[in-house]
Amino acid sequence: GENVEQHPSTLSVQEGDSAVIKCTYSDSASNYFPWYKQELGKGPQLIIDIRSNVGEKKDQRIAVTLNKTAKHFSLHITETQPEDSAVYFCAAGDSNYQLIWGAGTKLIIKP
Amino acid sequence: NAGVTQTPKFQVLKTGQSMTLQCAQDMNHEYMSWYRQDPGMGLRLIHYSVGAGITDQGEVPNGYNVSRSTTEDFPLRLLSAAPSQTSVYFCASSYRTPQGPRGTEAFFGQGTRLTVV
Repeated sequence: GENVEQHPSTLSVQEGDSAVIKCTYSDSASNYFPWYKQELGKGPQLIIDIRSNVGEKKDQRIAVTLNKTAKHFSLHITETQPEDSAVYFCAAGDSNYQLIWGAGTKLIIKP
Repeated sequence: NAGVTQTPKFQVLKTGQSMTLQCAQDMNHEYMSWYRQDPGMGLRLIHYSVGAGITDQGEVPNGYNVSRSTTEDFPLRLLSAAPSQTSVYFCASSYRTPQGPRGTEAFFGQGTRLTVV
């Protein structure tokens, strides 16, 4: 089955700098890769997703890149702001039609 | 809009007790699922449903039962609680499956923090 590894587990960046979170997956049949943001005491919320027929997708300060050959995808946040502080999860859809989630990255924005 | 509503928000159980975690959505979504979230392990799928009357097992189904009698409700039952079931439980719904080439956004409830002593 699918296995998703996410790095780093904690990321601390200065406000205004960029943050990059990376995930690798094992199932070459996976074709949908969402990123979710979880704020304290809340459920995860989708922030961006990418499908296997696309290499990059942007939405304002957030972008996701996908390298199917290397089986990894990354979340890029530019011009970080205090409200970006949260836990971020990547996920990949496996061949059993289930989402397999990474372990999460706690992003800390330092003022 | 209420979205996905989970009750209760917090619960403490004694080993061996049973209980039902409630989940309701008002978005007319066909797909609903239950996850558990443990530190350092992300979310793991317990059970899911692709429509009323249809349920299936996820990655970690042992010790849990589900039913889907209506589109709106998807309760999760713990049959005989064990300390290993101490976790935060999330219910989610989506218009269709949240993965695959037609994957769509999953909407999550606020979670139920369960402690089994």
